[in-house]
Amino acid sequence: DTAVSQTPKYLVTQMGNDKSIKCEQNLGHDTMYWYKQDSKKFLKIMFSYNNKELIINETVPNRFSPKSPDKAHLNLHINSLELGDSAVYFCASSQESGIRGYTFGSGTRLTVV
Amino acid sequence: GNSVTQMEGPVTLSEEAFLTINCTYTATGYPSLFWYVQYPGEGLQLLLKATKADDKGSNKGFEATYRKETTSFHLEKGSVQVSDSAVYFCALRSNDYKLSFGAGTTVTVRA
Repeated sequence: DTAVSQTPKYLVTQMGNDKSIKCEQNLGHDTMYWYKQDSKKFLKIMFSYNNKELIINETVPNRFSPKSPDKAHLNLHINSLELGDSAVYFCASSQESGIRGYTFGSGTRLTVV
Repeated sequence: GNSVTQMEGPVTLSEEAFLTINCTYTATGYPSLFWYVQYPGEGLQLLLKATKADDKGSNKGFEATYRKETTSFHLEKGSVQVSDSAVYFCALRSNDYKLSFGAGTTVTVRA
């Protein structure tokens, strides 16, 4: 019954590796997002897709690449991981442009060593 | 651009105390305003929302009123419990689909 699910929940990897985080929502929402939360709890939007179309692409290194195979999925692929990529990554979804709020996943804690 | 400023924490209270977390915003147009809560080790949950001026959002004893004249959306609860210990985020949804967050306020309630 999970509304927005992310996998994995924890990810520990070495610098230079490539990794992916997957996100799926079963709410029938048309828009999905990736947010990054740093060690001070600050949340910053990275990407957003509306019906598989990229609509928000913030200033994020091009090592980060989102992919939306359908409107229920938004995956995040990260190439050549760096220490500074360590953070908690949250997936979220919304309907009608989010005017009623977003539903967030439980987060993926990425640790780069 | 759009931005949200909320009071810095951490805030430590005793049970049954009154809680206020100030939030002000800068935005063009008519944003929707939200409070989200993040319990330890969990994701963000929508606590309450208001979509137009003078709307009051309320949930779980928390309230916030959308004040256009002061560009504020302060969160209040009359009597907090230990289970209210969490990080609280004020957020603004602008016309460009973006949900922008304040820096978060950590609240700890002691028994």
